[in-house]
Amino acid sequence: DTAVSQTPKYLVTQMGNDKSIKCEQNLGHDTMYWYKQDSKKFLKIMFSYNNKELIINETVPNRFSPKSPDKAHLNLHINSLELGDSAVYFCASSPPPQGAYGYTFGSGTRLTVV
Amino acid sequence: QQQVKQSPQSLIVQKGGIPIINCAYENTAFDYFPWYQQFPGKGPALLIAIRPDVSEKKEGRFTISFNKSAKQFSLHIMDSQPGDSATYFCAAPPSYSSGSARQLTFGSGTQLTVLP
Repeated sequence: DTAVSQTPKYLVTQMGNDKSIKCEQNLGHDTMYWYKQDSKKFLKIMFSYNNKELIINETVPNRFSPKSPDKAHLNLHINSLELGDSAVYFCASSPPPQGAYGYTFGSGTRLTVV
Repeated sequence: QQQVKQSPQSLIVQKGGIPIINCAYENTAFDYFPWYQQFPGKGPALLIAIRPDVSEKKEGRFTISFNKSAKQFSLHIMDSQPGDSATYFCAAPPSYSSGSARQLTFGSGTQLTVLP
């Protein structure tokens, strides 16, 4: 199936730990994103990569570090997790030209920090 | 940077009703304005999108109305069904001045419940 896939789907961890979320898309899209969805369902852009290059880095703590080994993968590493990091994190991709239309989202990773 | 305001926050209608969700954007943009539908435990999925030079777009029971001069657009769901119960997000493309940053700006979402 063509899709955006994220792993893991659920992540429960203690404060202070470091964790990673992986994302892969097989749609041939050039641009990938990380969004954070809070408890009120608000979708906030965190990062955007185009062909492995960072093009958007919104105001997020530097404990969050994205890594794109190739244009089909965009991983999110989070250091020193805090309670406020609990949210659902979505990976998404879009076709060229750095498309603002036709996002395909993954199914999300629900992160719970205890 | 693009701004989007979406209302209402939640909406309850009876089966067969026509829920309407409204969005207003701040900065002129020339790319598609999409709507996304999100079911619990799933990611948002593209539902329908409209070009800013078109006033209306219909796909099945879903219609977008677009008012470019007022910078407003809305989603209408005809003959709504319980299976339409979901969170709906509007989104606006970047404004002319956004340069290389091409991300969508999402509205705050509308939780729609269609009662049987």
